[in-house]
Amino acid sequence: IAGITQAPTSQILAAGRRMTLRCTQDMRHNAMYWYRQDLGLGLRLIHYSNTAGTTGKGEVPDGYSVSRANTDDFPLTLASAVPSQTSVYFCASSGDSDSPLHFGNGTRLTVT
Amino acid sequence: GENVEQHPSTLSVQEGDSAVIKCTYSDSASNYFPWYKQELGKGPQLIIDIRSNVGEKKDQRIAVTLNKTAKHFSLHITETQPEDSAVYFCAAWGGTGGTSYGKLTFGQGTILTVHP
Repeated sequence: IAGITQAPTSQILAAGRRMTLRCTQDMRHNAMYWYRQDLGLGLRLIHYSNTAGTTGKGEVPDGYSVSRANTDDFPLTLASAVPSQTSVYFCASSGDSDSPLHFGNGTRLTVT
Repeated sequence: GENVEQHPSTLSVQEGDSAVIKCTYSDSASNYFPWYKQELGKGPQLIIDIRSNVGEKKDQRIAVTLNKTAKHFSLHITETQPEDSAVYFCAAWGGTGGTSYGKLTFGQGTILTVHP
């Protein structure tokens, strides 16, 4: 089934550790995004990529980095996790600049 | 940048009743307004969207209305069913904040509960 695959589905991480959240799409979409979801705050954009080889900062980029080596993969890295990064992380993709976003099922991350 | 406010934060209705969720946005340049439904343990899924050149769009039991002058848009669900219970998010896109790709700003979400 076409769509977005995120891994892991959940993770408990000690503060200070490095962590990479994986995201793969098989829809050949140009654009990909990472959002974090926190209660009462909705979904906030962390980083995005308009096309392979390019990335940009969203609303809350600090503490996170991304890369886009190819069309399908868009990993999100936390270099040194902090408790405030405890959240549910969603990867999304879209085909064009104003096409609907397709979301993965999320990664629930707890930083202790 | 864009700011989207969504109300109410929780909504409880009886099966068969209608439900209305309202959102306001701040950037008059925004021109695309999707609504997403999120079920427990899953990612948001698009249920309906509207662009600024129309005032209303309907798809079976759901409809969205847009008032560009007042900068607000609403989701209407008629004949609600228990399976409509979920978190609903509105979003606005296309404002003046630099590159347009992915510049969706989401509302805070509404937890809808439909009681049988």
